[in-house]
Amino acid sequence: EIVMTQSPATLSVSPGERATLSCRASQSVSSNLAWLQQKPGQAPRLLIYGASTRATGIPARFSGSGSGTEFTLTISSLQSEDFAVYYCQQYNDWPRTFGQGTKVEIK
Amino acid sequence: EVQLLESGGGLVQPGGSLRLSCAASGFTFGSYAMTWVRQAPGKGLDWVSVISASAGTTYYADSVKGRFTISRDNSKNTLYLQMNSLRAEDTAVYYCAKGDLYSSIDYWGQGTLVTVSA
Repeated sequence: EIVMTQSPATLSVSPGERATLSCRASQSVSSNLAWLQQKPGQAPRLLIYGASTRATGIPARFSGSGSGTEFTLTISSLQSEDFAVYYCQQYNDWPRTFGQGTKVEIK
Repeated sequence: EVQLLESGGGLVQPGGSLRLSCAASGFTFGSYAMTWVRQAPGKGLDWVSVISASAGTTYYADSVKGRFTISRDNSKNTLYLQMNSLRAEDTAVYYCAKGDLYSSIDYWGQGTLVTVSA
């Protein structure tokens, strides 16, 4: 199975600052990579699919890049509502696999 | 508006069975693959199973293969997960999600909690 590794595990950022989250796949997943946001007690929400396409209603401050095995989620200017856990997921191969998550916390 | 409403969770003893349901609305249910994903308390997301729009194709995680069965009734806009031979490690919130197979998941339900304990 494809192992998805996210870094860092925790990212401490001040509101208004830029956040950069990384996701690495153990083998190529092409561009079949999604980024999800999950807040405490809530279901995950799709942010990015196809490695770089924002989902419906997602603000432009969220952007995704990468292909193959290296991917990045960038939040250009963190807002209070962006403090959450972020997961990457590959949907290129079976079984589908998720990264372990990056918690973005207030610095 | 896409809505996915899971039900059927609860407390079950090890070795027992449970059937989860997911009622879908706000989209043409019969045109989309559907997925189950679970999340153990305090842990990350764990993919469980997917079923194609026509129900002709299914995939399972190795951890549930042979114990869980995914199915759907397109006339009732409902997705199911039959869970047998439940183990303590199956304890999790189970999410129903729209999509996968040839595209990403794009909407998630709020989840239903399954607790396997004596």
